[in-house]
Amino acid sequence: AQTVTQSQPEMSVQEAETVTLSCTYDTSESDYYLFWYKQPPSRQMILVIRQEAYKQQNATENRFSVNFQKAAKSFSLKISDSQLGDAAMYFCAYRKLRGSNYKLTFGKGTLLTVNP
Amino acid sequence: DAGITQSPRHKVTETGTPVTLRCHQTENHRYMYWYRQDPGHGLRLIHYSYGVKDTDKGEVSDGYSVSRSKTEDFLLTLESATSSQTSVYFCAISDSVVRSPPDTIYFGEGSWLTVV
Repeated sequence: AQTVTQSQPEMSVQEAETVTLSCTYDTSESDYYLFWYKQPPSRQMILVIRQEAYKQQNATENRFSVNFQKAAKSFSLKISDSQLGDAAMYFCAYRKLRGSNYKLTFGKGTLLTVNP
Repeated sequence: DAGITQSPRHKVTETGTPVTLRCHQTENHRYMYWYRQDPGHGLRLIHYSYGVKDTDKGEVSDGYSVSRSKTEDFLLTLESATSSQTSVYFCAISDSVVRSPPDTIYFGEGSWLTVV
């Protein structure tokens, strides 16, 4: 079974600084998707960024980028120029490319605090 | 926004009583999921459905049952609620990656259930 591990239960960053959230995963698959979701206090689940395992290029979405290391099974999220609105719980998630009914497997989350 | 409605959004119930949570979608998506979110555990899959009357267990299915008699509705039932089932419950929907991009997993707004 696939597992996703987020080793940092909590992180903090100063406004305008950069922070990196860690995620590792375990899978025997070669093709899959990885995601970072943001969950603000409203509890809404918001997709931040996704990475297809077959793509070597790291995904980027504005101030959010990932460092995808397939061999190491590592998928970290970098937030640049942190803003107060980035404060939230962040979940790393894995999804098989085919089969398994496209279920998402989540890590336990990292609570990010942004200090003004 | 995806058309997902969860009901009720908030419920307090007594131990031993049955409880049914409803997830309703207007997207005609094939796959529907029920997750629970607890501190320190992230989101864990309870049950999922891959079509009308086709359901299967997730990783934390004990004490829960589901039904899907129509494409648009996925019901989660706690036959006899216990305090350990106090949680936030999320419904999610998805279509096959053949028909839509892989990041199109939409989440409902969550249902807060307290068992006293």
